[in-house]
Amino acid sequence: DGGITQSPKYLFRKEGQNVTLSCEQNLNHDAMYWYRQDPGQGLRLIYYSQIVNDFQKGDIAEGYSVSREKKESFPLTVTSAQKNPTAFYLCASTPGQGPWGEQFFGPGTRLTVL
Amino acid sequence: AQTVTQSQPEMSVQEAETVTLSCTYDTSESNYYLFWYKQPPSRQMILVIRQEAYKQQNATENRFSVNFQKAAKSFSLKISDSQLGDTAMYFCAFIMNTGFQKLVFGTGTRLLVSP
Repeated sequence: DGGITQSPKYLFRKEGQNVTLSCEQNLNHDAMYWYRQDPGQGLRLIYYSQIVNDFQKGDIAEGYSVSREKKESFPLTVTSAQKNPTAFYLCASTPGQGPWGEQFFGPGTRLTVL
Repeated sequence: AQTVTQSQPEMSVQEAETVTLSCTYDTSESNYYLFWYKQPPSRQMILVIRQEAYKQQNATENRFSVNFQKAAKSFSLKISDSQLGDTAMYFCAFIMNTGFQKLVFGTGTRLLVSP
């Protein structure tokens, strides 16, 4: 079955460590996205990539980095520069062309800083 | 910048009843799309319904329908015959019909359906 997978489901990080969240899709979608979700807030865009080897900062990119070396993979690194990284992280993808706007989401990763 | 506002943090409804979730948005664009996403306790985001701004007819998907008032910039979701499985966070979202598909989300409404 086609879809988006995220791993791990739960991740614990010590202060000062970098951690990488995995996102893989087998939908042959061109565009991929990373969102952060905090209690009482909607999803906020961290980074997005419209094609391989290209990505752009979203609204809250500080303290995060990404790469897009393969079409199906879009890993997110949470660096030690991110001051409050405890949150739920969602990866999404779209075909890049119609139907406009529908994003397919992965199951998410819950990151906790100890 | 586009914004989406959901003024109801929490709502509750009994099984089989009807409930309406509110959403307003702000944009100067005329060509855009609106969505309602559902996030159940599993936290998997699921698309519930989509509305194209150029269409006057309100979208409907089984028990879910919208009331789209373009001039008022209002996009409410009506859930008929509520079921226990409808218990979830509901997010309203907006996207412009431009080259890049950037969704703008509201803060969500937590809906509890009780027996």
